[in-house]
Amino acid sequence: EVQLVESGGGLVQPGRSLRLSCTVSGFTFGDYTMSWFRQAPGKGLEWVGFIRSNTYGGTTEYAASVKGRFTISRDDSKSVAYVQMNSLKTEDTAVYYCTRYRGYIDYWGQGTLVTVSS
Amino acid sequence: EIVLTQSPDFQSVTPKEKVTITCRASQSIGSSLHWYQQKPDQSPKLLIKSASQSVSGVPSRFSGSGSGTDFTLTINSLEAEDAAAYYCHQSGSLPLTFGGGTKVEIK
Repeated sequence: EVQLVESGGGLVQPGRSLRLSCTVSGFTFGDYTMSWFRQAPGKGLEWVGFIRSNTYGGTTEYAASVKGRFTISRDDSKSVAYVQMNSLKTEDTAVYYCTRYRGYIDYWGQGTLVTVSS
Repeated sequence: EIVLTQSPDFQSVTPKEKVTITCRASQSIGSSLHWYQQKPDQSPKLLIKSASQSVSGVPSRFSGSGSGTDFTLTINSLEAEDAAAYYCHQSGSLPLTFGGGTKVEIK
């Protein structure tokens, strides 16, 4: 059974940092691009960024709204994806989803809530 | 950035009715358009991939069509469990984008 489990969410003050983790099981993690999406309370879905598999260089792409502040990484030996979120803003408040990305998203985690507030 | 415009925003439908949701892309994306269903307090779920390809485990009453800039999600014979928000998503070019969503309510 495929599982993606996010962790690390919580309440953080504006300007501070937070790192989310996504622990994967049920498929060969290293073979896939992993992507992060988010959903602000009561709003629609927004792409955050993704990291390609090492077969494709392990390179990253980001949405303009987070570029320069967020960094996505992966540890294939542990089957974990990360997103390091720096200089957080109130508008980053959202449920963050870790996903397996194949041009479409075929597996989603349950999401972890990040609240940026003073 | 490719903008996806979904319509309608909201639809109230009786069971067994047919539902049609459209998604228009601001530029051609071929068949790089996918549909998701999100029920309250749940993660989204893939319904249709690549405009019209079925997904394993998804009921056959869900179907998709279209290419280029105009796409449609059809739910034949709506069931009560289909109450949800529906989103289209394009992977034709970066940044990846979503439509604004369509909320389907059961009368």
